Amino acid sequence: NAGVTQTPKFRVLKTGQSMTLLCAQDMNHEYMYWYRQDPGMGLRLIHYSVGEGTTAKGEVPDGYNVSRLKKQNFLLGLESAAPSQTSVYFCASSYRGVTNTQYFGPGTRLTVL
Amino acid sequence: AQTVTQSQPEMSVQEAETVTLSCTYDTSESNYYLFWYKQPPSRQMILVIRQEAYKQQNATENRFSVNFQKAAKSFSLKISDSQLGDTAMYFCAFMKPQTGANNLFFGTGTRLTVIP
Repeated sequence: NAGVTQTPKFRVLKTGQSMTLLCAQDMNHEYMYWYRQDPGMGLRLIHYSVGEGTTAKGEVPDGYNVSRLKKQNFLLGLESAAPSQTSVYFCASSYRGVTNTQYFGPGTRLTVL
Repeated sequence: AQTVTQSQPEMSVQEAETVTLSCTYDTSESNYYLFWYKQPPSRQMILVIRQEAYKQQNATENRFSVNFQKAAKSFSLKISDSQLGDTAMYFCAFMKPQTGANNLFFGTGTRLTVIP
């Protein structure tokens, strides 16, 4: 049982390049989330999904797209990376329901030059 | 939007001593959940403790306990018998259960250092 995994762990991009971050969970969770963490700030929600084939915007969605084609995977895409997207990205997942707890992946450190 | 405030950017405590981390939040909701997450240098976010707003009894988990003051919108974390492994960033988080999502709102964190 690996929990929540993220690929890659580190990445450096040039401005304008694109990339996809992959989140996978093996706990059969319905809900999945993408957060970003910047220095001096708490985690902020980018997008989330409440089930396969559904996604919704969070607090800071601009510049990102997501897809949830399979229940266990949640992809975060940057179509044209900008230096402002330099951050640490966390994926989380949880069961449906109000008593759920979010379980986090180890994070991906992304630097955009 | 919900706001969560952690007014102590950094704190330190001697090993085996007790330390309290502060958190306040702003909401008009009556039903919600509060969490403390720990982020050690490994960067992994680890749930420490959670509190349901409808419960008057403060949550406890081994050496970790909270002081939940609903009227004051305060949710502090007490760590007893501090250990070196407690050195980490601690984040307070708020969640309002709602249909279709259970999104967390985080504070800016408190960096705790346990001194040998």
